[in-house]
Amino acid sequence: KQEVTQIPAALSVPEGENLVLNCSFTDSAIYNLQWFRQDPGKGLTSLLLIQSSQREQTSGRLNASLDKSSGRSTLYIAASQPGDSATYLCAVMDSSYKLIFGSGTRLLVRP
Amino acid sequence: GAVVSQHPSWVICKSGTSVKIECRSLDFQATTMFWYRQFPKQSLMLMATSNEGSKATYEQGVEKDKFLINHASLTLSTLTVTSAHPEDSSFYICSASLLGTGRMGNQPQHFGDGTRLSIL
Repeated sequence: KQEVTQIPAALSVPEGENLVLNCSFTDSAIYNLQWFRQDPGKGLTSLLLIQSSQREQTSGRLNASLDKSSGRSTLYIAASQPGDSATYLCAVMDSSYKLIFGSGTRLLVRP
Repeated sequence: GAVVSQHPSWVICKSGTSVKIECRSLDFQATTMFWYRQFPKQSLMLMATSNEGSKATYEQGVEKDKFLINHASLTLSTLTVTSAHPEDSSFYICSASLLGTGRMGNQPQHFGDGTRLSIL
């Protein structure tokens, strides 16, 4: 059974810092891995999608890497801003096209 | 593009009421939509996969008679929580994948803004 773990559960950093969020999964048989952002009481915004054959994806200040063999992904946020404060969710699409989510990292960027 | 609209965004109702939640793909067609539930400070848990024109596939532990899913068109799926009770209070979110642009494994899922259901 696929399990997705995110570390840390919560993170507080001062504005301007670069930071890394971690995601690990137990079964490497995945189609893709997605990083999402969720603001309180809101739905999910897709940030980056990495296909199983890819190693990384970049969008603006965000960079996500994927090491499928070791079951790990990282989301790198450069020059963090208060507006980046949210919960970041990692999800893998398993062999039956289902998304399995981690429990998220709650990020607070202090002005 | 790829906007998913969910309605209503918030529902408060008495115990025993049935509640219907709509999920629409506004600018694309989706043969498959997904329904998730999220309890406070927890992650999303897949409840069921909704397939246009056929019966939904429910995850283990999800009562199909309690959570009725109808996917009558390529742009609309509905989730009806029947005879809702306080323990059904949660945040329900739907998602959809683009149709016909490649294998589903290559497509991101696009999520609605969710429905907060509170049963008194």
